[in-house]
Amino acid sequence: GNSVTQMEGPVTLSEEAFLTINCTYTATGYPSLFWYVQYPGEGLQLLLKATKADDKGSNKGFEATYRKETTSFHLEKGSVQVSDSAVYFCALSDRNGNNRLAFGKGNQVVVIP
Amino acid sequence: GAGVSQTPSNKVTEKGKYVELRCDPISGHTALYWYRQSLGQGPEFLIYFQGTGAADDSGLPNDRFFAVRPEGSVSTLKIQRTERGDSAVYLCASSPTPPPGAGELFFGEGSRLTVL
Repeated sequence: GNSVTQMEGPVTLSEEAFLTINCTYTATGYPSLFWYVQYPGEGLQLLLKATKADDKGSNKGFEATYRKETTSFHLEKGSVQVSDSAVYFCALSDRNGNNRLAFGKGNQVVVIP
Repeated sequence: GAGVSQTPSNKVTEKGKYVELRCDPISGHTALYWYRQSLGQGPEFLIYFQGTGAADDSGLPNDRFFAVRPEGSVSTLKIQRTERGDSAVYLCASSPTPPPGAGELFFGEGSRLTVL
């Protein structure tokens, strides 16, 4: 079945540092890929998405490129802020019409001033 | 507000009791989803409604779990004979009628269930 794997463990970094969170997936067919973010005390919200190979999703300075050859969708940001502290989830949706998402375990990101 | 609303935000119950969790989706969203998030894990799919009908309930873990959406808007997730392993955050999400594989889900803040 479809699955998403995220790198292990929380990520702690200083303000203005470069952030990378790795995400790889297993899926049949051609899924759509997503990054969702959960800020403290809030619900999950979509950060960015890509629907086909080589697409780049971007939002709020974050980027991720859909790499079919490596089945990856790594999240990057060039200069993080304290306000980026949150839990980040990689997810995929197959194309069977119900928009059901399969999520990774999530990565806690803590940005220290 | 205009977002997905879930009640209660916190529920503590005893093993063996019956629990209902409510979700009020964004107005006009025809698709509604329930997910379960255990500590340290990502959300896991439970059930999907398109309108009033459960289009996909393959994620429900066993027959103690049931969900309804009688008028195509508000949904209730019902858990019978709760067990300690049911403790988790139950998330509800809605979306407009989804195109295959490309739609965005709008999530509520969740209902945290603790079974003692």
